[in-house]
Amino acid sequence: DQQVKQNSPSLSVQEGRISILNCDYTNSMFDYFLWYKKYPAEGPTFLISISSIKDKNEDGRFTVFLNKSAKHLSLHIVPSQPGDSAVYFCAASPYNFNKFYFGSGTKLNVKP
Amino acid sequence: DSGVTQTPKHLITATGQRVTLRCSPRSGDLSVYWYQQSLDQGLQFLIQYYNGEERAKGNILERFSAQQFPDLHSELNLSSLELGDSALYFCASSVIDRGHGELFFGEGSRLTVL
Repeated sequence: DQQVKQNSPSLSVQEGRISILNCDYTNSMFDYFLWYKKYPAEGPTFLISISSIKDKNEDGRFTVFLNKSAKHLSLHIVPSQPGDSAVYFCAASPYNFNKFYFGSGTKLNVKP
Repeated sequence: DSGVTQTPKHLITATGQRVTLRCSPRSGDLSVYWYQQSLDQGLQFLIQYYNGEERAKGNILERFSAQQFPDLHSELNLSSLELGDSALYFCASSVIDRGHGELFFGEGSRLTVL
């Protein structure tokens, strides 16, 4: 049972434009949401997170939006850079952080 | 460098064999999580340990077991290996107590079962 879903396996964006990666979840008990970035042959790297008490969190070029009523979160990257090309995973966890559920990933390609 | 160390990086073995994957968490992190990633799929949660005790279990097969030692390093044991067990196995650690809960991943152990 896939509790966290990323329905777009891939996304291609021009350098300098906005990249929007989407993620949906089914479990209303999730309290904490994260985005990870993964390059080939490396482990996932933490990017940004958001608690369920917020609807937006910003860190430099990265902004995560949370819509609890729609059970949807998104990651905006502005402006996109070629070095952002990677696989992006969203993840969700209940308040006790016992389990982190990951989506299947979206491969972002930022074209120069 | 996340501070999480996994060994070995690559492992090739035959069906029916048993392997042990090792993970050293970041200094000060009490929690260790194990994940499996098969063929460009998502990360499947296997098991979590907190300060030596099993805290949560995911879709971990009965042929797989894990433990966390007093020095907080963890081992994932995979036995009676099958072709389908070929995957990347990631270990992650977290402080949790800070209330943020970010996972910090190692580089993974790539297991190939022939």
